[in-house]
This record gives sequence, structure tokens and C-alpha cells, in this order.
Amino acid sequence: QVQLVESGGGVVQPGRSLRLSCAASGFTFNNYAIHWVRQVPGKGLEWLTVMSYDGNNKYYADSVKGRFTISRDDSKNTLYLQMNSLRTEDTAIYYCATETWGSYYFNYWGQGTLVTVSS
Amino acid sequence: QSALTQPASVSGSPGQSITISCTGISSDVGTYNVVSWYQQHPGKAPKLMIYEGSKRPSGVSNRFSGSKSGNTASLTISGLQAEDEADYYCCSHVGYSTWVFGGGTKVTVL
Repeated sequence: QVQLVESGGGVVQPGRSLRLSCAASGFTFNNYAIHWVRQVPGKGLEWLTVMSYDGNNKYYADSVKGRFTISRDDSKNTLYLQMNSLRTEDTAIYYCATETWGSYYFNYWGQGTLVTVSS
Repeated sequence: QSALTQPASVSGSPGQSITISCTGISSDVGTYNVVSWYQQHPGKAPKLMIYEGSKRPSGVSNRFSGSKSGNTASLTISGLQAEDEADYYCCSHVGYSTWVFGGGTKVTVL
């Protein structure tokens, strides 16, 4: 079955970097766009970024533009989120989610990985 | 892009129907018929419940239905059950390949 597994979360100091991974299985990875969505514990969901199914298009929310970079390695069925210049307000659970490109909804989600930015 | 507006909480008794609203602006909810709804139980990942405003994915109970009028989308849960107690989020594509979520609504089954 479709499975998305995020990893790479942890505790990091402000200003430092972290790379999250999203490993996919159970579906044809390069048929789907992959998004990152985050959630401050106890708060709502925030869309962050998407990479198209073919890797040619990337879009970012203003809150992370210039600091976060999305990439994918289709040979490993894995999506990445490189997070630089981390701030305390980036503390959240980070989810990856699939979208059939052009459908505009997120059909499968991973279980999330917690990132804590703290000195 | 501002978040879509949802009520913070909605409650109902078992068997009743409740409706959660999701209000945007003309350039998001009002323009695109691509509102989706997600259910999230505590400690769990969100789950797709409605897409394209009113369509249900396979496996989602027909007690869940979606609609839209102008700049407001709505999710209705009929025959409320204890297992429906969760947080619900609306989401809309807002152009330029960006998305925005609502603030979330906590549904309580009394």
C-alpha cells in the first residue's frame, strides 16, 4: 500500500540547517507531485512547498522562500527538504504528502517528523 | 496569502448533523473549485475526506459531504458518530501553485 515515511527531524539550534527526507513506497513515485506541510504542535496546518512529478517545478510559501529547498531523487523514491537559517518559529511537525499533479489535493500523507529549533 | 476562516469549534450530539464553514476570498475559494477537507485525529496525520469541493475518496463514509457557495465552502457530517470527533481543515489552491489551509475546526461529539 501507499506509504510515506518522513525522517531527519530533531533538535537544532537557531540559524543552523537540517535536511528532512520523505521515503515513498507502494506507488509510482514519479507520477506524483510531493508537498511539505507543517504543523506547530496544537496548531493548524501550513502548506510550505511542492515539487512537480517530473522535478521541473518547485513552489514555496513566502514564509520559507529563500531558506528551504525541496528536491527529489527518483532513483531512491525519496523527497528532501533542506532547511537553512532555521528559526524558533520553524518548530513544527513536518509532513510530506502526495498530489496527483493538477488535482490540487493531498491524497496520501506521511506520519510526520518533529523539528524543534531551540538554543 | 491569509488562511481560510473556519470556526474554532463545532459540536453536536450523536446522530445529529453539523456543518463546518470555510470562508475565503474571491481569488481562492471563490475562483477555484478545488477545496479539499482533511480530518485529523490527535497524534495522527491528516486524512483526505473531500476533494474538488464535494467528491469523496474511496473508503470515506457517505456521511461526509461538501459544498460551496460563493466564497464559502462547507463540510457537513450527517449522523454524527463518536469516531468523527477530530480536527477538520479545509484547503484551497490559490493560484501560482500555492495552497492555503483554514485554521481548523475542532468537532466535539457531545
